[in-house]
Amino acid sequence: GDSVTQMEGPVTLSEEAFLTINCTYTATGYPSLFWYVQYPGEGLQLLLKATKADDKGSNKGFEATYRKETTSFHLEKGSVQVSDSAVYFCALTPSGTSYGKLTFGQGTILTVHP
Amino acid sequence: DTGVSQNPRHKITKRGQNVTFRCDPISEHNRLYWYRQTLGQGPEFLTYFQNEAQLEKSRLLSDRFSAERPKGSFSTLEIQRTEQGDSAMYLCASSFPFEDTLNTEAFFGQGTRLTVV
Repeated sequence: GDSVTQMEGPVTLSEEAFLTINCTYTATGYPSLFWYVQYPGEGLQLLLKATKADDKGSNKGFEATYRKETTSFHLEKGSVQVSDSAVYFCALTPSGTSYGKLTFGQGTILTVHP
Repeated sequence: DTGVSQNPRHKITKRGQNVTFRCDPISEHNRLYWYRQTLGQGPEFLTYFQNEAQLEKSRLLSDRFSAERPKGSFSTLEIQRTEQGDSAMYLCASSFPFEDTLNTEAFFGQGTRLTVV
């Protein structure tokens, strides 16, 4: 079945550092790929998405590129802020299905210190 | 619209008791999803509805679990004869159907945290 694997966490960075959170997936065909973020005390929020190979999703300074050849969707940000501290989830939906039926990775906790 | 609303936010119950959670989706959304999230893990899909029809159920949804959406608006998730392994966060999400290509993002509620003692 479909699966998503994220890099082990937690990740601790200083403010303005570069962030990479690795995500690889296993799925048939061409799934849609997502990054969701969960801030403390809040629900999951969609951060960005990409629906076909070589697409780049971006939002709030975060970026991720859909790499079919490496089955990856790594999340990057050039300069993190304390307010980026949260749990980040990589997820996919199979091609041709609802964007609400998601397979999630295990999540990566990010803590950014001033 | 205030987004997806879930009640209660927290529930503590004794093993063997029945519990019911409620989800109120965003009003224009006709798809509604239930997920379960255990500590340190990502959410796992349980089931989803389009309007009042339950279209898919995960193998994780044992016969002690039942979900309904009787009028195509709010939904309930009931767990009968709760076990300690049922302790988790139960998340609800809603969206437009896939065929609506304008906006199919799933919006999540804050969840109901269940503790079975």
